[in-house]
Amino acid sequence: GNSVTQMEGPVTLSEEAFLTINCTYTATGYPSLFWYVQYPGEGLQLLLKATKADDKGSNKGFEATYRKETTSFHLEKGSVQVSDSAVYFCALVTGGFKTIFGAGTRLFVKA
Amino acid sequence: DVKVTQSSRYLVKRTGEKVFLECVQDMDHENMFWYRQDPGLGLRLIYFSYDVKMKEKGDIPEGYSVSREKKERFSLILESASTNQTSMYLCASSPGQGGEQYFGPGTRLTVT
Repeated sequence: GNSVTQMEGPVTLSEEAFLTINCTYTATGYPSLFWYVQYPGEGLQLLLKATKADDKGSNKGFEATYRKETTSFHLEKGSVQVSDSAVYFCALVTGGFKTIFGAGTRLFVKA
Repeated sequence: DVKVTQSSRYLVKRTGEKVFLECVQDMDHENMFWYRQDPGLGLRLIYFSYDVKMKEKGDIPEGYSVSREKKERFSLILESASTNQTSMYLCASSPGQGGEQYFGPGTRLTVT
């Protein structure tokens, strides 16, 4: 079946460090891929998305590239800020109603 | 902007009570979802609805029911609350198929 695997957290970084959160997926067909972010005490919100192979999604300095050959959608940011501390979820949709979410990766950024 | 609202941010109920969690979206989305979120378990889908009066079971429907009488409103019902239903409940909506979901702020339910 369809699934999403993302790196376990927590990830702890100093401000201005480079961030990578790994995400790989298993899916039939051609899924759309998403990164959601959940700030403390809030619901999830869409961070970025990519709908076909080689697409790059980007938002707020974050980016991720849809790699079909490696079935990956790794999240990156060149310089993290304390305000980026949150839980990040990788997710996929294969055209139906349901979204498959990864387990989430908690990021702590220290000043 | 899409807005999804949930009736309560925090709720405390007693074991055996009937509990209603309400969710309203203002963007005319066809699909609505209820998830619960627990530490170490991620998001788990309870029920979803793709049209008024239509509902489908998700991954963990036991102990829950839902109601969708109007397109903008999707209710989650705990018929007889139990302590193992203490959790964060998240509502979401989406337009059509295959797209992103829009989440409400969540309701943290404690059953004592």
